[in-house]
Amino acid sequence: TQLLEQSPQFLSIQEGENLTVYCNSSSVFSSLQWYRQEPGEGPVLLVTVVTGGEVKKLKRLTFQFGDARKDSSLHITAAQPGDTGLYLCASSRGNQFYFGTGTSLTVIP
Amino acid sequence: DTGVSQNPRHKITKRGQNVTFRCDPISEHNRLYWYRQTLGQGPEFLTYFQNEAQLEKSRLLSDRFSAERPKGSFSTLEIQRTEQGDSAMYLCASSPITGGNGYTFGSGTRLTVV
Repeated sequence: TQLLEQSPQFLSIQEGENLTVYCNSSSVFSSLQWYRQEPGEGPVLLVTVVTGGEVKKLKRLTFQFGDARKDSSLHITAAQPGDTGLYLCASSRGNQFYFGTGTSLTVIP
Repeated sequence: DTGVSQNPRHKITKRGQNVTFRCDPISEHNRLYWYRQTLGQGPEFLTYFQNEAQLEKSRLLSDRFSAERPKGSFSTLEIQRTEQGDSAMYLCASSPITGGNGYTFGSGTRLTVV
């Protein structure tokens, strides 16, 4: 059983479209991170959210942490081919560290 | 400091052989983590160290897997008697003790067992 479920698993969109990916759990987390990973490389940290209801923006990316700190979303505005990659959410509880199942995004020029 | 370094980048080995991977973390980071990632999946946590102490190892996949960080700096992950199912990307990450702000990952070691 995955502690962090991401949806959709795959997403293919045209350049310029908007999209949202989701990270859901039945557990409460003190913080949650989003990463982007390109093929053959390690994940790269995009953002950490800590407070319930928190919204953080990183250029065209908007991250939100759910009020109950059980879920999070990532919204990309006007997607570009450079946004292509595997988007992962991650968190921890005690001495255990968890990643989500991932959303593989392809942005078609 | 150029980030987290992993060596080798790629390893091809025959089934039954032992392999060892090395990770050099960011020097100021006390914590070091090992993950395994198979194609299309998120990384799966294996073990982590705080300085030289291995604080969690129950998620190591079997007793064929072991990790060390003898001086609290670099770490090694060893797989004994490799099996084809061990083929995966092995990722190392490091963080300050307050790891809740995220981790810095290396580029990984891609293991192929033939």
